[in-house]
Amino acid sequence: AQTVTQSQPEMSVQEAETVTLSCTYDTSESDYYLFWYKQPPSRQMILVIRQEAYKQQNATENRFSVNFQKAAKSFSLKISDSQLGDAAMYFCASYTNAGNMLTFGGGTRLMVKP
Amino acid sequence: GAVVSQHPSRVICKSGTSVKIECRSLDFQATTMFWYRQFPKQSLMLMATSNEGSKATYEQGVEKDKFLINHASLTLSTLTVTSAHPEDSSFYICSANPWTPSSYNEQFFGPGTRLTVL
Repeated sequence: AQTVTQSQPEMSVQEAETVTLSCTYDTSESDYYLFWYKQPPSRQMILVIRQEAYKQQNATENRFSVNFQKAAKSFSLKISDSQLGDAAMYFCASYTNAGNMLTFGGGTRLMVKP
Repeated sequence: GAVVSQHPSRVICKSGTSVKIECRSLDFQATTMFWYRQFPKQSLMLMATSNEGSKATYEQGVEKDKFLINHASLTLSTLTVTSAHPEDSSFYICSANPWTPSSYNEQFFGPGTRLTVL
């Protein structure tokens, strides 16, 4: 079974600053993928970034990057130059081919202060 | 990009009635579709996985007679909440997997359906 834990229910960041959202996971599979999803007030789930477990290099997508620590089973999301539009719920999730399902963490609500 | 639609986006019904929610993949064929439930300020909870042409696989604790899932074609899955009660009020989200030859099949999410049972 997979578990995903987000220990920060809420985070706040000043506009243009950098914020890091934490995520830890547990899986017995060796082949898995990790994701960060954003859910704005519209509630549409948006994929922010994806990391394949077999890749050592941390994924980056513009202002979003991850710090993937495989041994520690940690997968944090860094948002640089935060913008007002980044305010949303952020969910960390894991996927294994064996399970063919996404397992979500509890979410972190990010507030961006102007 | 791949688009998944849901209909209706909002529905209000009386207790005891049944409600059907449709999930469609608009520009791809989905071999697998997923149904999630999300309570306010909580995470997504997987209810069931449906594969085209076969019975859905329900997660533990989800009543299969209460939440009927039909995946009749490669672009359409439906969730029917039977004899709805106020405790069934929630936000329901579907997602779909397009088949690809790679080892990972990305899930694309619909915009969700807000169900309110009076």
